[in-house]
Amino acid sequence: RKEVEQDPGPFNVPEGATVAFNCTYSNSASQSFFWYRQDCRKEPKLLMSVYSSGNEDGRFTAQLNRASQYISLLIRDSKLSDSATYLCVVIYTGTASKLTFGTGTRLQVTL
Amino acid sequence: DAGVIQSPRHEVTEMGQEVTLRCKPISGHDYLFWYRQTMMRGLELLIYFNNNVPIDDSGMPEDRFSAKMPNASFSTLKIQPSEPRDSAVYFCASRPWGSYEQYFGPGTRLTVT
Repeated sequence: RKEVEQDPGPFNVPEGATVAFNCTYSNSASQSFFWYRQDCRKEPKLLMSVYSSGNEDGRFTAQLNRASQYISLLIRDSKLSDSATYLCVVIYTGTASKLTFGTGTRLQVTL
Repeated sequence: DAGVIQSPRHEVTEMGQEVTLRCKPISGHDYLFWYRQTMMRGLELLIYFNNNVPIDDSGMPEDRFSAKMPNASFSTLKIQPSEPRDSAVYFCASRPWGSYEQYFGPGTRLTVT
């Protein structure tokens, strides 16, 4: 079983739709969580951190459920420019420098 | 500000040849990371350095891979001899002390035939 699992998708949604991705992690000693975004043939870039209380950044909302060991990303009012792969990232306690990446969920927003 | 710089951007080589990938981290960043990305395995951490010292190389696949960081502004990842299964995109990333956010370079797309 992979340490960080994501549905690879693709998720095909029309512009304006709301879409949500989940990510599960296997190690309960997980300390910090992030979502990275990777455009086609580009490098990953930090999208947002995920806090225990949940956090929002514009149209993006991230949630953490430690009991069930998953994090989620909700995108409201999808734009064409949101089309990308979204990578779930976990840092385990005691390994503050090591990011463990999921394989990503691909989102395609269409007209 | 210049981001993380990697060279070459593309490399095509024949099996058995030596390949050297280069990285210049963002100035002032204390940590440098080398990753490999494939469709099958996603992004995998190969090795990382703190203040030019290798801290964790447990992700290096085998002895054919080696990495060095002779100074704070330069690192290399070498594969000798290369094999077709080494074909992947290799990313270098850096981050400053006290932050979890890593800044990735544009990657080197390696094809071994």
